Amino acid sequence: NAGVTQTPKFQVLKTGQSMTLQCAQDMNHEYMSWYRQDPGMGLRLIHYSVGAGITDQGEVPNGYNVSRSTTEDFPLRLLSAAPSQTSVYFCASSYAGQGLTEAFFGQGTRLTVV
Amino acid sequence: SQQGEEDPQALSIQEGENATMNCSYKTSINNLQWYRQNSGRGLVHLILIRSNEREKHSGRLRVTLDTSKKSSSLLITASRAADTASYFCATAAIKGGGNKLTFGTGTQLKVEL
Repeated sequence: NAGVTQTPKFQVLKTGQSMTLQCAQDMNHEYMSWYRQDPGMGLRLIHYSVGAGITDQGEVPNGYNVSRSTTEDFPLRLLSAAPSQTSVYFCASSYAGQGLTEAFFGQGTRLTVV
Repeated sequence: SQQGEEDPQALSIQEGENATMNCSYKTSINNLQWYRQNSGRGLVHLILIRSNEREKHSGRLRVTLDTSKKSSSLLITASRAADTASYFCATAAIKGGGNKLTFGTGTQLKVEL
């Protein structure tokens, strides 16, 4: 079972560069989300999607774009990387609706912006 | 802003002892969930308790929820070295059907032999 797959695992970017973090799930989950994890701050929600073609902003959306063209994929785009975006990024998915909302997480992407 | 705040931030115990972690939150919730994160890895779901439940068990885990105090606790009994990890509570908002999770800052648990 692949579950939630994130690529790449590690990435170093220069300030101003753009890149896309990939996330794919094979569980037919409607709900997908992106979090960033910084030391001492837990996980903060960047963007989420309740289904193909529907996305919304989370707590810290600035500097990031998402799209959801298929149920399986939910890429996160950094438009112009900044050192403040150095973080570990996690993608998660879950069934939508009442009572079955445990989230499955990918292994993370460790991003460093220099 | 963080919805859940965990207490303590760090906990060190001996193998075989019980570990208790607490979580407080601010707004009304659909459910509350606990996750474990081993160093450098993704989060793994442990247990979910709905807002109309007061206590739930899963193996060596016991979770309580007090919605009047907006607090939850996670008890790990007979801890093992393999339980060493960070533990996070996450609250699911009522709006959105319970999927939108807000995480606390976590408790780092170290279980020593």
